[in-house]
Amino acid sequence: EAGVTQFPSHSVIEKGQTVTLRCDPISGHDNLYWYRRVMGKEIKFLLHFVKESKQDESGMPNNRFLAERTGGTYSTLKVQPAELEDSGVYFCASSLRDGGLYEQYFGPGTRLTVT
Amino acid sequence: ILNVEQSPQSLHVQEGDSTNFTCSFPSSNFYALHWYRWETAKSPEALFVMTLNGDEKKKGRISATLNTKEGYSYLYIKGSQPEDSATYLCNTDKLIFGTGTRLQVFP
Repeated sequence: EAGVTQFPSHSVIEKGQTVTLRCDPISGHDNLYWYRRVMGKEIKFLLHFVKESKQDESGMPNNRFLAERTGGTYSTLKVQPAELEDSGVYFCASSLRDGGLYEQYFGPGTRLTVT
Repeated sequence: ILNVEQSPQSLHVQEGDSTNFTCSFPSSNFYALHWYRWETAKSPEALFVMTLNGDEKKKGRISATLNTKEGYSYLYIKGSQPEDSATYLCNTDKLIFGTGTRLQVFP
C-alpha cells in the first residue's frame, strides 16, 4: 500500500511569489490534515479535511493560505503571496476515520524556504 | 496546562540504558493521546493511540502509560539501542503537538 506522498519535497521561492504544495493521502482515507513546523518549534495544526469538506481550519495562519481538496482525494495548499515567516516544513497526514482513535500516517513533508 | 508539553526536551543515554519521558496535556475534554517516533529527515511514525485512563500499550521494547485524570503519559524504552535515536512526539486528538523529546542513544 502506498503511503502519503507530498510534492515537491523542497521548494525555494522569493518573498511575494506563490507556491502550491500537494498531498496525496493513502487511498480510502477520508481524513486529511495539514501541519507546519517552523524551525525549532513544535508541529502546528493547520487544517483538517473530511473528504472534500473543511472540518476544521482553525490553524490556518491568515488568508494568504488556501487549502483545497476537490473530489476528496488529493489536497493542495497554496501560499500567496509567500512571506519569510512561511518558511518551514509542511506535513500532510491522513487517517482512515477521525475521532482521535485512528492512527495518522504522515507524508515526508515539503520543506519551503522563502527568501 | 493549556498546551501539550513534553519533557525533557532532549536526552542522551548509553546503549542498554532504559529511559522514559513525559507528555503532559490538558485533562479536561480529553479524547485520545498519540505517540509518534520521528527520525531525522523522515516523517513522524505512529507508535501508540491511547484513550482510557490506565491504558498501557507496548510495542517491543517501547511501552506507554496514560493517566487522563492528571493529564500525563509516560513513554518508556527498555534497553535503549542506537536505532531508537529519534524525536518522540505526542499529541492530543491530532491537533496539538508537544515540542518533542529528542533522544540520542550512544553506542
